[in-house]
Amino acid sequence: KAGVTQTPRYLIKTRGQQVTLSCSPISGHRSVSWYQQTPGQGLQFLFEYFSETQRNKGNFPGRFSGRQFSNSRSEMNVSTLELGDSALYLCASSSTGEIYEQYFGPGTRLTVT
Amino acid sequence: GEDVEQSLFLSVREGDSSVINCTYTDSSSTYLYWYKQEPGAGLQLLTYIFSNMDMKQDQRLTVLLNKKDKHLSLRIADTQTGDSAIYFCADSFSGNTGKLIFGQGTTLQVKP
Repeated sequence: KAGVTQTPRYLIKTRGQQVTLSCSPISGHRSVSWYQQTPGQGLQFLFEYFSETQRNKGNFPGRFSGRQFSNSRSEMNVSTLELGDSALYLCASSSTGEIYEQYFGPGTRLTVT
Repeated sequence: GEDVEQSLFLSVREGDSSVINCTYTDSSSTYLYWYKQEPGAGLQLLTYIFSNMDMKQDQRLTVLLNKKDKHLSLRIADTQTGDSAIYFCADSFSGNTGKLIFGQGTTLQVKP
């Protein structure tokens, strides 16, 4: 089975721009979660989508948004980029059986200049 | 709020056992997880334990859970240089959901 894929792997943007990151979950997985990883704040939960609906949300400003499509692929969008948005953005997919095993993709490294 | 704490660094000799510790505050935890992250990579799920278990063994990995003290540990037997990585403890927020609360990560250095 193919793992979680994320595109692009690396991205450089300018402050004030917006960016869209994509995540394709493991086949059959319907839940997709997004995390931001920075040296200062560590791993922080952004949001979770299940069956095209946002099910959980972390403490991030409204500039961070996401969506999920009918094929479970997910995108996250960050508008009006700030320097502090530079981070590794990780996507995780999971089946929703009894055990919630989250499998992570390799991440998208976003640099805001 | 929910919090997960880990020590930041552990150094061991190859062949020794490594023990990485974690404490958490969420009293409604259902599952607790251990992830491994190598440089430039995403997170690899190593193992997990259900909150009503005390111990789980998976090959070289042993997870111990003290629910009373909210303390979790990961023991790696016969540690190898390939085990050098950052290890994260994670708590499932309010039950079985896709929201995980992660610790800061413990960097494991294995010396030959």
